[in-house]
Amino acid sequence: NAGVTQTPKFRVLKTGQSMTLLCAQDMNHEYMYWYRQDPGMGLRLIHYSVGEGTTAKGEVPDGYNVSRLKKQNFLLGLESAAPSQTSVYFCASSPRSGLAGAYEQYFGPGTRLTVT
Amino acid sequence: DQQVKQNSPSLSVQEGRISILNCDYTNSMFDYFLWYKKYPAEGPTFLISISSIKDKNEDGRFTVFLNKSAKHLSLHIVPSQPGDSAVYFCAASARNAGNNRKLIWGLGTSLAVNP
Repeated sequence: NAGVTQTPKFRVLKTGQSMTLLCAQDMNHEYMYWYRQDPGMGLRLIHYSVGEGTTAKGEVPDGYNVSRLKKQNFLLGLESAAPSQTSVYFCASSPRSGLAGAYEQYFGPGTRLTVT
Repeated sequence: DQQVKQNSPSLSVQEGRISILNCDYTNSMFDYFLWYKKYPAEGPTFLISISSIKDKNEDGRFTVFLNKSAKHLSLHIVPSQPGDSAVYFCAASARNAGNNRKLIWGLGTSLAVNP
């Protein structure tokens, strides 16, 4: 199994450009998440999804949009990139929560995005 | 306001000794705690977890202790190995509206295990 994969691994954008980050998971997980990690800030939740066709805002949603058209895919879009969005982006997935042990999130390898 | 705090940004330990990584939290609604390990250029990987109904959970060389009254948990690695050198994140979870759970993350502690 591939687990959680992210495309692309690296990207450089100019201010104002747009792009979409793709996350795919093959574990049939219900929940998917997008995080960003910045130095000294830990992992911050951007958006998440509790199922196909649903999305919700996390801690830092401004400047990003997401879509979950298929259960296995979760897309993160930047409509007009800004230097403040330079970061490492991680996608994660988890089974439906409810029982102990179901809260573990499985992470992809990350996408390093630089906005100049 | 950091709800999950890892006050030591780094820790250095000799191979074979015990590594103790600490985590403090402020939200008394947290009822599930997890430790993740992260190598450079990789995503975090789940290591061990503990429910608030327990005070200890052990998995091989890794043990997590929870002290609810002090709102403190710690991860013990015994014996430490060079391959344990990584950044360790503490995360906490509380059941929120709609039964959804989100993880609140600490800033991480970078562990170096020296041969």
